[in-house]
Amino acid sequence: DSGVTQTPKHLITATGQRVTLRCSPRSGDLSVYWYQQSLDQGLQFLIQYYNGEERAKGNILERFSAQQFPDLHSELNLSSLELGDSALYFCASSAVGGAHEQYFGPGTRLTVT
Amino acid sequence: GENVEQHPSTLSVQEGDSAVIKCTYSDSASNYFPWYKQELGKRPQLIIDIRSNVGEKKDQRIAVTLNKTAKHFSLHITETQPEDSAVYFCAASEGKAAGNKLTFGGGTRVLVKP
Repeated sequence: DSGVTQTPKHLITATGQRVTLRCSPRSGDLSVYWYQQSLDQGLQFLIQYYNGEERAKGNILERFSAQQFPDLHSELNLSSLELGDSALYFCASSAVGGAHEQYFGPGTRLTVT
Repeated sequence: GENVEQHPSTLSVQEGDSAVIKCTYSDSASNYFPWYKQELGKRPQLIIDIRSNVGEKKDQRIAVTLNKTAKHFSLHITETQPEDSAVYFCAASEGKAAGNKLTFGGGTRVLVKP
């Protein structure tokens, strides 16, 4: 157990819908990262938040957005869902600053039908 | 941005033999190189990492080497066991300036045959 929690574990929804994935980082970690893992794209970085502020952005679609709240939990919002958005979504957390170990949560498996 | 290539994509070894996975990266600013092990349907699990000021690091049966000049790093697993069967990912981080985000290689599926 990494100490990072994610809910829900599984999510099945239809095309065009909107979903919210939730992540709670390890106690004391200020950084949260979101990654998407699909069969053909591997693990892809989406976005990072540090202490409530966006710090870095990857190839995140405009239909996707995220935020980090004062209690440091983060939510990833996916809208206008398409079949190709079906994937495992992981969040990871790390401690402050510098190149630091990232610990992954158990992931949310999203299936868009 | 950073690009990480990983080879081989699959690796089958006999129990007790060694396994070696190699990665190359493109951005000389990258300074942190972790390795993750992922079992089917589970989270990537950090197994070892190395920073750019170190050439080699060992932890029991696993070791990682880094060649900054050639921009490549490798994972070595000795005395492989069936529980080592998993997908292994290398990654590189460009550090604080890039938000410490990780760029992953494509993964290596390792199968240890008893």
